[in-house]
Amino acid sequence: SSELTQDPAVSVALGQTVRITCQGDSLRNYFAGWYQQKPGQAPLLVFFGKYNRPAGIPDRFSGSGSGNTASLTITGAQAADEADYFCNSWDSSGNHLVFGGGTKLTVL
Amino acid sequence: QVQLQQWGAGLLKPSETLSLTCAVYGGSFSGYYWSWIRQPPGKGLEWIGEINQIGSTNYNTSLESRVTISLDTSKNQFSLNLNSLSAADTAVYYCARASVAARWRFDPWGQGTLVTVSS
Repeated sequence: SSELTQDPAVSVALGQTVRITCQGDSLRNYFAGWYQQKPGQAPLLVFFGKYNRPAGIPDRFSGSGSGNTASLTITGAQAADEADYFCNSWDSSGNHLVFGGGTKLTVL
Repeated sequence: QVQLQQWGAGLLKPSETLSLTCAVYGGSFSGYYWSWIRQPPGKGLEWIGEINQIGSTNYNTSLESRVTISLDTSKNQFSLNLNSLSAADTAVYYCARASVAARWRFDPWGQGTLVTVSS
């Protein structure tokens, strides 16, 4: 089992807001990264750290964190946002990198 | 814009050794960490390990007895070797770049290589 825990599946109505969460003890001390992966494609970094969105990523993607939980929020979800989302960070020892199990987002 | 292009054998037999190479185009090799990550079919991502510009490595504890990551700075390439393969190693393998300040921030990624281990 992963040291970072994600809900396996989340759904959102088109145009609504959805929050995808990632829980783990290491997140009390380290930032998380968020990746979007569509079928047959490599993961794509969509948010990282406290405030950072890579160039080219729509501003409907935002991130936050509190305690042992990091969150990725999509405000006004689009059909194109339907994908698997993975978080990652350091493990609880701070020595190795880990990924969450992933959340499959369905846009209804 | 930095691009990573990877290649290697896609079909291997149990007990053989996986060898993949990732080339870095359009950017500096120094000042970054270079990782390998894999994804079994239909499953999540697993970090395999990383290497920095001076060749210091850091491996996933569950794989470190079988894995070697190396680099060739003259060619702007880094490589993954994973020995004693079994069917459980069947996965898409990705290479990725991370900054020194944020080694968990993988961007960009290679295109991925499907490695199938089967007799």
